[in-house]
Amino acid sequence: DTAVSQTPKYLVTQMGNDKSIKCEQNLGHDTMYWYKQDSKKFLKIMFSYNNKELIINETVPNRFSPKSPDKAHLNLHINSLELGDSAVYFCASSPGTSGRIKTYEQYFGPGTRLTVT
Amino acid sequence: DQQVKQNSPSLSVQEGRISILNCDYTNSMFDYFLWYKKYPAEGPTFLISISSIKDKNEDGRFTVFLNKSAKHLSLHIVPSQPGDSAVYFCAEGRQIYNQGGKLIFGQGTELSVKP
Repeated sequence: DTAVSQTPKYLVTQMGNDKSIKCEQNLGHDTMYWYKQDSKKFLKIMFSYNNKELIINETVPNRFSPKSPDKAHLNLHINSLELGDSAVYFCASSPGTSGRIKTYEQYFGPGTRLTVT
Repeated sequence: DQQVKQNSPSLSVQEGRISILNCDYTNSMFDYFLWYKKYPAEGPTFLISISSIKDKNEDGRFTVFLNKSAKHLSLHIVPSQPGDSAVYFCAEGRQIYNQGGKLIFGQGTELSVKP
């Protein structure tokens, strides 16, 4: 029974298209995250939601819009896709944001490899 | 501006020997450092952490050492096993005002343990 799942696993699309990636966690966690791993393998946080409320919004183009319909789901919608958006996108969750160790012991999904042509 | 650096992109070790993975950081204001392990086509998984007030934490074959004066930490794996072959990410955990906890990752070191 997968703790953090993402769909789709692979996504190939053309420049200018709009696409969504879905994430679900069944761990009962309050906080969910989106990370981007670029071609140089850096893993960087993009967004964080706590109980459906946006709490971290890094310097990300506003073509990226996260949506959290409930605390078990965090979806990522990307408008007008560009070549530079090609990356692996990881969803993650953690019990909370208190700054205690459990905040940082995050559970990651398997990733979605996005390729923009 | 890379706040967490793993200067060795790869490391190869013989089975049974010690693996030492290194990480340097620039910011002294952190709560924890963590190590994550990642296999191909999977997400990172949490391995071990260390609090900013400690200098060592051990969990089975894995030990993390923190040297605050040098702003350096290392992960020791003893003895190394072929199943340890993966990419290891060092991550700084920091509480940001009004943003909660945040992880800042290094770029990873690929460990290969040869039988």
